[in-house]
Amino acid sequence: SQQGEEDPQALSIQEGENATMNCSYKTSINNLQWYRQNSGRGLVHLILIRSNEREKHSGRLRVTLDTSKKSSSLLITASRAADTASYFCATDGLGYQKVTFGTGTKLQVIP
Amino acid sequence: SQTIHQWPATLVQPVGSPLSLECTVEGTSNPNLYWYRQAAGRGLQLLFYSIGIDQISSEVPQNLSASRPQDRQFILSSKKLLLSDSGFYLCAWSRETNTEAFFGQGTRLTVV
Repeated sequence: SQQGEEDPQALSIQEGENATMNCSYKTSINNLQWYRQNSGRGLVHLILIRSNEREKHSGRLRVTLDTSKKSSSLLITASRAADTASYFCATDGLGYQKVTFGTGTKLQVIP
Repeated sequence: SQTIHQWPATLVQPVGSPLSLECTVEGTSNPNLYWYRQAAGRGLQLLFYSIGIDQISSEVPQNLSASRPQDRQFILSSKKLLLSDSGFYLCAWSRETNTEAFFGQGTRLTVV
């Protein structure tokens, strides 16, 4: 079964607006990662946040992690048409040797 | 720098035919290797992962198998494809467990 579940499943915004995607997971983790996938392509790693971190920034990306709620959010500020893609969260499980992915949020940024 | 190669990019195979998808990694040693499948518009399902040569863990019962004959080579196989094997297959590697994963460009498999 999926460890992470993203919300919403789809999001459509105007260029320049901010986009927020959420991820909820079920079991305790070592870290949580966010990936991006352009249609029909492989995934590209965006950011990794460790379980002892609460917030992390990378350019226009801001990720938060709330381990008490088992949730994370990805904020993309000042969105661009090129941000159109699917975004996935990925989590490990304590003691597991693998990373499992959520079902993704499909983001469309309208120029 | 490290690179990952996955081929072919697209494949159309008849039901009952065999399958062999190959993935190789360059520029690193002893990587963790993964095979994922992605159904249309869905998330990624982990199929197999490997932490070393001939060390393969299967995540879901299925019609597929994986092998790692060399340190940086990971092969996904099937003896007889089913229609339900259609999907987008992604190979990935990571340096260590639970760290950033690097993905190949994927293989779109259509079983007809």
